[in-house]
Amino acid sequence: SAVISQKPSRDICQRGTSLTIQCQVDSQVTMMFWYRQQPGQSLTLIATANQGSEATYESGFVIDKFPISRPNLTFSTLTVSNMSPEDSSIYLCSVERSRDNEQFFGPGTRLTVL
Amino acid sequence: SQKIEQNSEALNIQEGKTATLTCNYTNYSPAYLQWYRQDPGRGPVFLLLIRENEKEKRKERLKVTFDTTLKQSLFHITASQPADSATYLCALEGQTGANNLFFGTGTRLTVIP
Repeated sequence: SAVISQKPSRDICQRGTSLTIQCQVDSQVTMMFWYRQQPGQSLTLIATANQGSEATYESGFVIDKFPISRPNLTFSTLTVSNMSPEDSSIYLCSVERSRDNEQFFGPGTRLTVL
Repeated sequence: SQKIEQNSEALNIQEGKTATLTCNYTNYSPAYLQWYRQDPGRGPVFLLLIRENEKEKRKERLKVTFDTTLKQSLFHITASQPADSATYLCALEGQTGANNLFFGTGTRLTVIP
C-alpha cells in the first residue's frame, strides 16, 4: 500500500486568488494523478503528473488554470489559479501500484471559494 | 469518449441481505475494471480489480463480475452489514492507456440494521 498525505486538508479562499495543494507519498512512484470531486459528484481526472516531464491534462483542464509540479518521485503540487466559486470542490491526489493497477488516494483537500 | 454509469444513485437494503450494484460503460473496451469504496470526507479505497479475461472475482464477502459483451460489471456484497454503508465507485482504465482511471457516478449504499 501507499500512505499519501495532502496539505492543506481544507481551505476557504477569496475569488481571484490561487491555492497550491501539496501531495506527499511515503515511497517513490512514477505516476501521480490529480482528481477533482465536485459536491455530490464522482471523481474527474484533472491531469497525470510524471516526474521530469510536463503533466498531461484531460479535456477541459488547462495548465494555466491548474499548473502542476512534480519535482521528485514522492511529491507533487497542484495549483488552482484565479479561483472562482465554481472551483469549490475536493481535490485528491493518487498514485498507482503497478502490481494490480490499483490506485491509492490521499484524503483530499476541501476547497471553498467565496 | 467513454461513458460510465452506475445503476442508481442510492440503494437501501436490510442488514444480512445481498447488495448488488451495477456499472455500465459504453464506447470502448477496457482491459480491466475496478471497484472502490468512498466514505464521507475521505478518498476512495480500492476494493477489487477484474480483468477483461476474468468472469468473476471474489474477496471475502465481495464478488465482482465482468461481462464484456454487455459492457457491464456487477458488484455484490453478501451478508451486508451497517458498516458496509458507503458510496461505491466503479472505475475503468482510461483510453489513453496512461494508467489513469475514469470513475462512474457512484452508488450510495445504506444498510439498515
